[in-house]
Amino acid sequence: AQKITQTQPGMFVQEKEAVTLDCTYDTSDPSYGLFWYKQPSSGEMIFLIYQGSYDQQNATEGRYSLNFQKARKSANLVISASQLGDSAMYFCAMREANTGNQFYFGTGTSLTVIP
Amino acid sequence: GAVVSQHPSRVICKSGTSVKIECRSLDFQATTMFWYRQFPKKSLMLMATSNEGSKATYEQGVEKDKFLINHASLTLSTLTVTSAHPEDSSFYICSARVFDGGEQYFGPGTRLTVT
Repeated sequence: AQKITQTQPGMFVQEKEAVTLDCTYDTSDPSYGLFWYKQPSSGEMIFLIYQGSYDQQNATEGRYSLNFQKARKSANLVISASQLGDSAMYFCAMREANTGNQFYFGTGTSLTVIP
Repeated sequence: GAVVSQHPSRVICKSGTSVKIECRSLDFQATTMFWYRQFPKKSLMLMATSNEGSKATYEQGVEKDKFLINHASLTLSTLTVTSAHPEDSSFYICSARVFDGGEQYFGPGTRLTVT
């Protein structure tokens, strides 16, 4: 089974609008971390936000917030007030404590911000 | 934040030759480094995990003799693609971690083109 599932291969959003990128995960490990990375066309993986499995509150970092629904095993990324520079690939990733903290990446979502 | 560098950022080599990619942690000592491969518009696939001073652990399906990994020091890991073929053309990304469970930082990637 896929550890991380991103069902949206491509998304479009109007500039200044908010957008939600979906991510679901599969694990039986009670201790895990969820990450979102942005990869622009340059290829660099840019860390955006982190959510720990034991965190009670949803993580927020500036315009990024993570909608963590533990029972549903979802960790959607919400980008508010989209900017043209947000156009990129976005990867959801998970790291489990019981697998040596190896990263599992989703297939990514390509976000295009329309002016 | 911590910085991981890769060199070269782009390389073009002829089929049959070998090419070495360096990954350096610039301001921290990385006990573990990871090498990923990414095909166009695809996710990152873990190739191998290397711990300083020991042999790398390769993921299933990754040829050890083709992708030589050396983690000789706490700040340097190298990936050598031996006898490169056009199908080895890809984007290679390294990642470095300070300790088990610690933060993991990604390098900017190396784009390899084999002609």
